[in-house]
Amino acid sequence: SYVLTQPPSVSVAPGQTARITCGGNNIGSKSVHWYQQKPGQAPVLVVYDDSDRPSGIPERFSGSNSGNTATLTISRVEAGDEADYYCQVWDSSSDHHVVFGGGTKLTVL
Amino acid sequence: EVQLVESGGGLVQPGGSLRLSCAASGFTFSSYEMNWVRQAPGKGLEWVSYISSSGSTIYYADSVKGRFTISRDNAKNSLYLQMNSLRAEDTAVYYCASGYSYGDDAFDIWGQGTMVTVSS
Repeated sequence: SYVLTQPPSVSVAPGQTARITCGGNNIGSKSVHWYQQKPGQAPVLVVYDDSDRPSGIPERFSGSNSGNTATLTISRVEAGDEADYYCQVWDSSSDHHVVFGGGTKLTVL
Repeated sequence: EVQLVESGGGLVQPGGSLRLSCAASGFTFSSYEMNWVRQAPGKGLEWVSYISSSGSTIYYADSVKGRFTISRDNAKNSLYLQMNSLRAEDTAVYYCASGYSYGDDAFDIWGQGTMVTVSS
């Protein structure tokens, strides 16, 4: 089955840039989606199709995807960005079909 | 307002059964693919099952295959998850989710979740 690998944690100071990676075999050939989840809440889609932002998501959130790594970039990080972030793909070659990464806890110092 | 509301969670003994429901409103439910996603306490998101808009195509995660059954009633705008032979490791918050605006597999609609606890 297809595996997505994320770092367990990323820390960044307010105002700086956070980069959260998502590794997978030839992930650049797939569409990657990113979710933000705060404690006790349902996930929220923050980037879809590698680099597009849903309506209402700040421009500070951006994404890229190439080779074996997709990246979620959060610019000018704010305290309110502290959350868990998950990458996700649809893998038609696998029985799992929908695959989530293990998640990354973003801590704002 | 586009909304999904889950219900049916609760405490069940190992080996028992539970049926979850997800009520959709604010959109044409019959046109959209649906999924169940779960999250064990303190753990990450795990996809559980998928059903096409007509119900003709269904997929399951290996961890629930043969024990869980996904279904939908488009006339009632409802999605279901029948869970049998429940195990302690099925303990989780269960979400229904759908790709409404940005593609079938980019889940921009989520319910609030319903907690399932499997314990004796």
